[in-house]
Amino acid sequence: KQEVTQIPAALSVPEGENLVLNCSFTDSAIYNLQWFRQDPGKGLTSLLLIQSSQREQTSGRLNASLDKSSGRSTLYIAASQPGDSATYLCAVSNRDDKIIFGKGTRLHILP
Amino acid sequence: DTGVSQDPRHKITKRGQNVTFRCDPISEHNRLYWYRQTLGQGPEFLTYFQNEAQLEKSRLLSDRFSAERPKGSFSTLEIQRTEQGDSAMYLCASSLVGNYNEQFFGPGTRLTVL
Repeated sequence: KQEVTQIPAALSVPEGENLVLNCSFTDSAIYNLQWFRQDPGKGLTSLLLIQSSQREQTSGRLNASLDKSSGRSTLYIAASQPGDSATYLCAVSNRDDKIIFGKGTRLHILP
Repeated sequence: DTGVSQDPRHKITKRGQNVTFRCDPISEHNRLYWYRQTLGQGPEFLTYFQNEAQLEKSRLLSDRFSAERPKGSFSTLEIQRTEQGDSAMYLCASSLVGNYNEQFFGPGTRLTVL
């Protein structure tokens, strides 16, 4: 059974710092991995999707990496801003259907 | 707005009542998913459709829950005889087969059972 773990559960950093969020999964036979952002009481916004054959994806100040063999992914946020404050969710799918989520990392950027 | 929409956004009901939620996916998407999220947790899969066919249901989906997608477009999720434990955010997502299973989520329906 696939399990997704995100560390840390919460993180506070001063504005302008670079930061890394971690995600691990137990079954390396994944189809893809997605990183989402969720603001309080809101739905999910897809940030990056990494296909199983890829090792990283970039979008603006965000970079996500994938190491399937070790069951790990990282989300790197450069030059953090207060608007980046949100919960970041890592999710994997083992087939071309449902996705399994971690519990998320609550990020707070201090102005 | 061409994203996933959900209605209502908030629902407060008394224990024992029935509730129904609606999801309208992105128009060309043939897959539609329902997830449930409780406070401090990640979303958990409930069920999904490809066109009008319901392909998988989670064990979380008790007999009190039923989902439909009658014409392969919008979907409804009904909860009968609601219980306090049903209080959660119900999220809908859609995707296009062959597009790497990238799922796009709606804003969710927040259910509170008193």
